[in-house]
Amino acid sequence: EVQLVESGGGLVQPGGSLRLSCAASGFTLSSYWMHWVRQAPGKGLVWVSRINSDGSSTSYADPVKGRFTISRDNAKNTLYLQMNSLRAEDTAVYYCARDCSTSCWVDYWGQGTLVTVSS
Amino acid sequence: DIVMNQSPDSLAVSLGERATINCKSSQSVLYSSNNKNYLAWYQQKPGQPPKLLIYWASTRESGVPDRFSGSGSGTDFTLTISSLQAEDVAVYYCQQYYSTPYSFGQGTKLEIK
Repeated sequence: EVQLVESGGGLVQPGGSLRLSCAASGFTLSSYWMHWVRQAPGKGLVWVSRINSDGSSTSYADPVKGRFTISRDNAKNTLYLQMNSLRAEDTAVYYCARDCSTSCWVDYWGQGTLVTVSS
Repeated sequence: DIVMNQSPDSLAVSLGERATINCKSSQSVLYSSNNKNYLAWYQQKPGQPPKLLIYWASTRESGVPDRFSGSGSGTDFTLTISSLQAEDVAVYYCQQYYSTPYSFGQGTKLEIK
């Protein structure tokens, strides 16, 4: 059974940093591209970032470019999102999501982890 | 960047009736080399992550009831629920995966009338 379990969310002050992790199981992480998608409270889904299978290629949404870094450790079956210079508008549930293969739809989602940026 | 726009924002349909949700992209998501539309539909129920319903604009994900269908090509797409069931109450999103950023529509909230 495919499972994606996010962790690392919490309350952080504006300007602070957090690192989210996503533990993958039930499949071979190294075979799949991966994404982070976020959802502000009561709002819609917003794609944040994606990484290819071996981590050599990444892409970011403009609002997070230069502040967020996606990475992966296939040996540890874990996806990461390093978030720096956090702003109030980054407050959201962050979902780890599996690409169907290489740059296509999302076929599995984690339950999400809440990041709250507030003083 | 491709902008996805859904209509309507909310919809109330009687049980057993048809529900139709539209999605329009700001540029074509049809890839000419393989004639596939890079468009997916997701369902999100309260307190849950999204669930994949449809990919390639019209291919139903395994396990998704056949009352859900997707259609359209190029820039205009439709998700149809042929006979609304109570468990279909949710927010529905379209998403293009033609190019990054992989944008979503704003969502359509479906309720029972």
